[in-house]
Amino acid sequence: GAVVSQHPSRVICKSGTSVKIECRSLDFQATTMFWYRQFPKQSLMLMATSNEGSKATYEQGVEKDKFLINHASLTLSTLTVTSAHPEDSSFYICSARGKLNEQFFGPGTRLTVL
Amino acid sequence: DAKTTQPPSMDCAEGRAANLPCNHSTISGNEYVYWYRQIHSQGPQYIIHGLKNNETNEMASLIITEDRKSSTLILPHATLRDTAVYYCIVIGGTSYGKLTFGQGTILTVHP
Repeated sequence: GAVVSQHPSRVICKSGTSVKIECRSLDFQATTMFWYRQFPKQSLMLMATSNEGSKATYEQGVEKDKFLINHASLTLSTLTVTSAHPEDSSFYICSARGKLNEQFFGPGTRLTVL
Repeated sequence: DAKTTQPPSMDCAEGRAANLPCNHSTISGNEYVYWYRQIHSQGPQYIIHGLKNNETNEMASLIITEDRKSSTLILPHATLRDTAVYYCIVIGGTSYGKLTFGQGTILTVHP
């Protein structure tokens, strides 16, 4: 299957700082990427849909000014957690949509905010 | 998108077939059944999907009932590395590929 990478895989930051997470589709172009968040022992929750060249579409309850998404190219989407707080600590996972509507997921980024 | 119901957990002996059921009684005609799995602390992995015909690939087989109200994912020879949470998701054309993950089935393969 197609390969999606995320960087960094793990990040620890101080409260109040901003953290940028990159999601890349390595061997295919993805006009649509998705960002999910997963808390311990819970399922994945969709945060937003990222479309290349346009604004992201956020799910209800997700603050767009706090979770900034940029999809500047067909192979790269970034999620910036602004002014991170301990409650933002979570496992952030991106995915890229393939030609058959299947999604290929990245390995995830574990964010810990102290 | 139609809601799915899966058992919370299942066990399987290594080398045997693992049959994971999924109920989706409100599925509509243009909705597909997708299966993903998530191994601990990793991103989900696409397994297989189908509309109404049975499907098979190198990972698994998907059996969809004639009325499409339920399906079964079959791992023909389960290994310890198949221990994961398995998600059955129904999505249609209007969802633009958005996936709604339920709680899934925790499959434990034991020696």
